[in-house]
Amino acid sequence: EDKVVQSPLSLVVHEGDTVTLNCSYEVTNFRSLLWYKQEKKAPTFLFMLTSSGIEKKSGRLSSILDKKELFSILNITATQTGDSAVYLCAVDMNRDDKIIFGKGTRLHILP
Amino acid sequence: DGGITQSPKYLFRKEGQNVTLSCEQNLNHDAMYWYRQDPGQGLRLIYYSQIVNDFQKGDIAEGYSVSREKKESFPLTVTSAQKNPTAFYLCASSNQRGETQYFGPGTRLLVL
Repeated sequence: EDKVVQSPLSLVVHEGDTVTLNCSYEVTNFRSLLWYKQEKKAPTFLFMLTSSGIEKKSGRLSSILDKKELFSILNITATQTGDSAVYLCAVDMNRDDKIIFGKGTRLHILP
Repeated sequence: DGGITQSPKYLFRKEGQNVTLSCEQNLNHDAMYWYRQDPGQGLRLIYYSQIVNDFQKGDIAEGYSVSREKKESFPLTVTSAQKNPTAFYLCASSNQRGETQYFGPGTRLLVL
């Protein structure tokens, strides 16, 4: 059974801390792994990862994929209260254009 | 501006009633998707369409129906057969080859 597992399910840290969110997967026909940030409504796209070991960065956010160990991490440095959100990991399978989502990590940044 | 729109933002359904959620995109994307999100759960795929006049069942299609008569539009009908319809519904679209999906703002459906 194809699945995507995120950990932790929730995380509370203080502003300025660095956090690492985890995503592991077991799927057939992997094509890419995606990270989304969901605040109050719809998820917004953060990163798409297709190759192992290549870090993607956007400001204080970065992500990397390990296709051998089947996981990805999302790092956020110098966190701010605006980073509070649910972070979703999804795997795009090379089969019928389907995507499987994890349950998300709810991140809360305390001022 | 290019994007995906969903309407209404909130929708109330009475017992035994069918309701239709609208999803429109002007991104010229071939593929469109409907997801359901419940508290504490990830997004679950209801239906998806890779091309006009074609659509496929996702993981939880029972009690739902869709149509894809135009490239820009992918409405979702929640039928009376769906026994637990209260959820947040998200529509998304992507290019044909399953590239990054972009989401609409969502519709929250509540049962009276």
